[in-house]
Amino acid sequence: DVKVTQSSRYLVKRTGEKVFLECVQDMDHENMFWYRQDPGLGLRLIYFSYDVKMKEKGDIPEGYSVSREKKERFSLILESASTNQTSMYLCASSRLRGEAFFGQGTRLTVV
Amino acid sequence: GQSLEQPSEVTAVEGAIVQINCTYQTSGFYGLSWYQQHDGGAPTFLSYNALDGLEETGRFSSFLSRSDSYGYLLLQELQMKDSASYFCAVREGHNNAGNMLTFGGGTRLMVKP
Repeated sequence: DVKVTQSSRYLVKRTGEKVFLECVQDMDHENMFWYRQDPGLGLRLIYFSYDVKMKEKGDIPEGYSVSREKKERFSLILESASTNQTSMYLCASSRLRGEAFFGQGTRLTVV
Repeated sequence: GQSLEQPSEVTAVEGAIVQINCTYQTSGFYGLSWYQQHDGGAPTFLSYNALDGLEETGRFSSFLSRSDSYGYLLLQELQMKDSASYFCAVREGHNNAGNMLTFGGGTRLMVKP
């Protein structure tokens, strides 16, 4: 059974904190993605990675960075969390042009 | 860059047929996908069209016209459990090294008895 696992379902962080969201997939997929989902805005792509140490900016990369040191793990980093980064964060992985599999999401609240 | 447009909300009755349209603007287009998301759940894959035409999977069908930059998801024999959000997503090439998956804003489908 395919699996994308996000490290936390719920997180509460303070403004200015550095926040790490972790995502692990067990399908040996090349592509991994980070999205944020807000009501009425759909899924917006923050960053994606197509190989180890390779990354590309999505539509809304400002305030975020990513790390992919191993093929199965893709981390999203909020360098200095702000209240406007309160959101649902979804990680996904896929083969080169295959269907994407999503994790259950991390609901992050920045206070 | 890319953009996808789909209706924000659709309402239909149980047993009916509903069509959710999606228009897109993108470069390096590979294909159009559809995903379903129930409240509180993660998006799950429904279908993928890389070539023009209709793909059928049970009660769900998806259509693509590359020349019109347009596709739709057709849901037949609607059931209450089909109430969910539906997203179209474009797969496009990026720097010859990988491909992005970009989603539309989603269509919330409400099925009424």
